[in-house]
Order: sequence, then C-alpha cells, then structure tokens
Amino acid sequence: AQSVAQPEDQVNVAEGNPLTVKCTYSVSGNPYLFWYVQYPNRGLQFLLKYITGDNLVKGSYGFEAEFNKSQTSFHLKKPSALVSDSALYFCAVRAPSTDSWGKFQFGAGTQVVVTP
Amino acid sequence: DAGVIQSPRHEVTEMGQEVTLRCKPISGHNSLFWYRQTMMRGLELLIYFNNNVPIDDSGMPEDRFSAKMPNASFSTLKIQPSEPRDSAVYFCASSLPGSSPLHFGNGTRLTVT
Repeated sequence: AQSVAQPEDQVNVAEGNPLTVKCTYSVSGNPYLFWYVQYPNRGLQFLLKYITGDNLVKGSYGFEAEFNKSQTSFHLKKPSALVSDSALYFCAVRAPSTDSWGKFQFGAGTQVVVTP
Repeated sequence: DAGVIQSPRHEVTEMGQEVTLRCKPISGHNSLFWYRQTMMRGLELLIYFNNNVPIDDSGMPEDRFSAKMPNASFSTLKIQPSEPRDSAVYFCASSLPGSSPLHFGNGTRLTVT
C-alpha cells in the first residue's frame, strides 16, 4: 500500500527566511510526486511535480522541491518566504495500479505560517 | 480552460434529506476523483473513476453515499439520507493519465443540521 507522510502539522518561518516543508513516501515502483497548495475556501492548486531526471524541480511562485530516492523524500523549498505563502501545503504521490494509472495519495497537509 | 466546475458552492440541508453534488471535469480528462475534507480527518479519497468506470470506491463511508459518472463530462455524488457528520467540504478533481497533475474544483461546502 502506498502512503505519504508529512511529519510537521505546522511550519513557522519569518518573512525572508528559507522555507522547507517535508514529505516522505512509501510506494512500490517509480511514482510521480506532486506538491499542492490550498488557500482558504479554495481547492488545491498544483505547484510542481517530479517525474524523472534532475532531482531538483522548479515550480510556481518560486517554489522548488528536491527528490531523494534513497531517503524516499520529496521536500518542498523556497529560498525566501513571503507572508502570502501562508497556506496549507499537501504532498501527493501517484503510482500505476494493476488496472491503470491509480489514485493520488495525499499527505495530511502542513500549515505554513509566514510572519512579517 | 474553465477548470473543474462544482455545484453548488454551498449546501445547507436538514438531517435525513437527500443531497446531490455535481461536477464537470476538465474536457479531455479521463480520471475523476471525489474527495472529502474535514478538520478532523483531513483530505479523504471517496471514489475515483477512469474512463467513466468506478475503479476504487473503498473510501465511500457507507451505503448512504453513491457516485455516478454517466458520461465523460459529468459526475454526481449523492448522500441519502444525509447526517450531521457528513458536514464537510467535498472536492471533485480530474486528470489525464500518468504524470498529469490533478486539477481541483473549488469544492462544495456541505452543512447538515
């Protein structure tokens, strides 16, 4: 069974400081990995994904994520956080199933709070 | 691209009533997912379809919940009868196969009194 873990319920960071949101996964095969952001009263919005190749992927709004196969991790990073980055962040994996491409498995989410 | 469209945005109903949530996926997407989000349980997958066929409904809480996808451009999630514990935000999302990201609608906030 596949699973995604986001070990931190909340991450607090001062504006201008680097931001890291952690994600580890457990899934067989070579999954696709995703990060999403959710603002209040909105659906989840896609930020970036890892398919293959370079372990560092860049996405929207200055975010990037580093894939580490040996540690089965896919941590989200931003070099300099903004107050507007305050939101709920979700890590997700998708792996092929026996029938076809399978479901997206989401982590529990990490609330990011950026203070001025 | 209009994105995933859900209706209604808000639904308030009394316990015991039937509730129907609607979703129009992005045109051309062949996978459709229904999720439920609450503070206590986070984001839960209820059911997903590939090419209009239900693939995994193991997340549907009980027989009061049912979902259909009669064609590639429409899906419904029905709760009959509704209960206060069904109060949540219900999201519909769609995608293409493989590495394509999931696209979410803005959700339906359901309140059952």
